[in-house]
Amino acid sequence: TQLLEQSPQFLSIQEGENLTVYCNSSSVFSSLQWYRQEPGEGPVLLVTVVTGGEVKKLKRLTFQFGDARKDSSLHITAAQTGDTGLYLCADLTTSGTYKYIFGTGTRLKVLA
Amino acid sequence: GAGVSQSPSNKVTEKGKDVELRCDPISGHTALYWYRQSLGQGLEFLIYFQGNSAPDKSGLPSDRFSAERTGGSVSTLTIQRTQQEDSAVYLCASSFTGNSPLHFGNGTRLTVT
Repeated sequence: TQLLEQSPQFLSIQEGENLTVYCNSSSVFSSLQWYRQEPGEGPVLLVTVVTGGEVKKLKRLTFQFGDARKDSSLHITAAQTGDTGLYLCADLTTSGTYKYIFGTGTRLKVLA
Repeated sequence: GAGVSQSPSNKVTEKGKDVELRCDPISGHTALYWYRQSLGQGLEFLIYFQGNSAPDKSGLPSDRFSAERTGGSVSTLTIQRTQQEDSAVYLCASSFTGNSPLHFGNGTRLTVT
């Protein structure tokens, strides 16, 4: 069974700081996705990466996919209070049926 | 168009009672998932419906949990004889196909007293 481990588990920073969170898989990713979940809401898709070594940018967010497709990072530049939330990585596993599994999550709090 | 709708948004029940949670997916989405999230943690897969295929029930934690999807649309997750450890947020998601990105509802927060 594939396991997705995220680190750190919690992160509290000041507005304007930079940060990086990580997602590591026990097996090769099929189709890695990053989601952000705000309190009281469901997760919302940020990005999908499929190619090893791929880098995608979404405004101040930079997503990197490891060459071996077993790890990924999310870097936020000049964090804002609006970035506060739970960041989740997910993979589409095809063991048996298509099924999305999620990582343990990184809870980010950006302080004004 | 409307997103994924879940009801109720909050449910408080006594230990031992049965509860039903409802999910209305996005129209035209063939895949529907249920996940459980405890105390702001990651998402635990429960069950997956895809079109007319038999559902993948491999994530259901016990036989007290069951789910159905009627007419390929609305889904109901039923928890019988609820226990305190069932307290969590239950999230429903749908996608256009089995390997399309997920669209989540806002969840049902279940509290078992």
